[in-house]
Amino acid sequence: DAGVIQSPRHEVTEMGQEVTLRCKPISGHNSLFWYRQTMMRGLELLIYFNNNVPIDDSGMPEDRFSAKMPNASFSTLKIQPSEPRDSAVYFCASSLGGGYTFGSGTRLTVV
Amino acid sequence: RKEVEQDPGPFNVPEGATVAFNCTYSNSASQSFFWYRQDCRKEPKLLMSVYSSGNEDGRFTAQLNRASQYISLLIRDSKLSDSATYLCVRRNSGAGSYQLTFGKGTKLSVIP
Repeated sequence: DAGVIQSPRHEVTEMGQEVTLRCKPISGHNSLFWYRQTMMRGLELLIYFNNNVPIDDSGMPEDRFSAKMPNASFSTLKIQPSEPRDSAVYFCASSLGGGYTFGSGTRLTVV
Repeated sequence: RKEVEQDPGPFNVPEGATVAFNCTYSNSASQSFFWYRQDCRKEPKLLMSVYSSGNEDGRFTAQLNRASQYISLLIRDSKLSDSATYLCVRRNSGAGSYQLTFGKGTKLSVIP
């Protein structure tokens, strides 16, 4: 198994632009998580999907952030419009009732 | 108060030294605990689970004290390859058990 696959690995964008981050979970995993990591706040859960359904989105910072999981093998996290304070590493993780497996992350820089 | 607190370090230790990290948590409903390791510019990876009876995996020993809400990780005979950030993690019990809450991590540098 290739593990959790995220793209792009790095993204540099200008303030106000739309950013879309992508994730392919491990096949057979029924839970998918989006986390954000910054120096100041560490790893924070943004949203949790179970069987493609959003269960907990209380960590999504504001309406500029949205996430979808149209099927079991794909999820997106979108930021529109992006702001410099959104600069962080965004991790996707998947799970099947046990420990998490994280993707390699997307390092987002908004200038 | 943050739910999981760790000393950020950095801990700079020579090869072969023994080093211990501590972690405290504030939610007494927490059920499961873990240590994750995160290398620079990489994703977090599970190092080991933490059990009340204490558990050992090679040079690594984890301890949990529920009464004091305290977790520890001991690394013996440290290697250069142990240099990383160590994240203390808890999983809630009950309805919120899907969620892992991460500490901000303790950075370890093992020096030749």
